[in-house]
Amino acid sequence: RKEVEQDPGPFNVPEGATVAFNCTYSNSASQSFFWYRQDCRKEPKLLMSVYSSGNEDGRFTAQLNRASQYISLLIRDSKLSDSATYLCAVNRGQNFVFGPGTRLSVLP
Amino acid sequence: DAGITQSPRHKVTETGTPVTLRCHQTENHRYMYWYRQDPGHGLRLIHYSYGVKDTDKGEVSDGYSVSRSKTEDFLLTLESATSSQTSVYFCAISAAATSGNTIYFGEGSWLTVV
Repeated sequence: RKEVEQDPGPFNVPEGATVAFNCTYSNSASQSFFWYRQDCRKEPKLLMSVYSSGNEDGRFTAQLNRASQYISLLIRDSKLSDSATYLCAVNRGQNFVFGPGTRLSVLP
Repeated sequence: DAGITQSPRHKVTETGTPVTLRCHQTENHRYMYWYRQDPGHGLRLIHYSYGVKDTDKGEVSDGYSVSRSKTEDFLLTLESATSSQTSVYFCAISAAATSGNTIYFGEGSWLTVV
């Protein structure tokens, strides 16, 4: 079993839809949690950190459930420009582990 | 912009030849990483460095070596390239952020071994 797992998708949604991604992690010692966005043939870029209390950045909401060891990302009012692969990541100190990513396609 | 530059960005090489990828950072970060990314596997850590001449192996280190003789440069060497090493390679640095340490990536180096 991989340390960080995600549904690979693809998720094909119409513009304006709300879409949610989940990510599970197996190491309970994981300290920090992140969502990255990766466009085709580009590097992953930090989308947002995930805080224990949950956090929101515009149309994006991230939540953490330490007891169940999963993190989630909710995207509201999807835009065509949200089409990308979304990677979750966890870290313990300086060790960062990434999930395989979930591909999102937002359709007109 | 995390100030990371990778070179070369694209390379085609023949099986059995040595290849060195360079990662250069301008912001004096202590920790640097080399990942490879492949379909179905995601990002996997090859090697990382926690200071000049201090390196350690990651998940998929076989066939790779690294060196860090200066804070700003982290080199990844494929001693004898194989077709299984065809991949995109990302260098990364770890930097402090509000929520703790966060990792930032360079633009990637696309390597094809024929």
